[in-house]
Amino acid sequence: DAGITQSPRYKITETGRQVTLMCHQTWSHSYMFWYRQDLGHGLRLIYYSAAADITDKGEVPDGYVVSRSKTENFPLTLESATRSQTSVYFCASRNRDRGPGYTFGSGTRLTVV
Amino acid sequence: AQTVTQSQPEMSVQEAETVTLSCTYDTSESDYYLFWYKQPPSRQMILVIRQEAYKQQNATENRFSVNFQKAAKSFSLKISDSQLGDAAMYFCAYRSALQGAQKLVFGQGTRLTINP
Repeated sequence: DAGITQSPRYKITETGRQVTLMCHQTWSHSYMFWYRQDLGHGLRLIYYSAAADITDKGEVPDGYVVSRSKTENFPLTLESATRSQTSVYFCASRNRDRGPGYTFGSGTRLTVV
Repeated sequence: AQTVTQSQPEMSVQEAETVTLSCTYDTSESDYYLFWYKQPPSRQMILVIRQEAYKQQNATENRFSVNFQKAAKSFSLKISDSQLGDAAMYFCAYRSALQGAQKLVFGQGTRLTINP
């Protein structure tokens, strides 16, 4: 029972490079989310998806791109990384018919130098 | 838009004592869910307790209980008999119960230290 898997766990990249963070869930949950965690801000929603091919912006979407061609995958791409995108990124999922619970991945710590 | 505020960036408590973490929120809705999540150094987000707004009874899970004051829009977490394993970041979160509303809104977090 793998649940929800994020990769990589740690990533260092240079300013201006494109980087993709991966998220894979094994339950076929309808909803998937990307959050970033920063000290003093808690977790803020970047993008979310209600189903394959349906995505929507969250609170802090600028500089990020998402796609969801398959229900189980929800990659997050930083098109041109900036130092302000140094953060811990969490993927989460939930099933619309299974109550209010969420399942989180273990996070990716991204450092942009 | 809904907001969640945790006004205590850090808290500390002696082992075996009781500590209360504060959380306030702002919403115009009457039906919603509130959560407390624990994040230990492993970074894993662990659901501690949740409360449905339409339930007047405060939720309890073993040593963890909440004081839900709907009119005051307050949702505090009480940890009794604190243990070293309780040391973590704690996040309060809100989710609307409206059809189609799926987003969790988080507070800033409170770092809890347990002193042996």
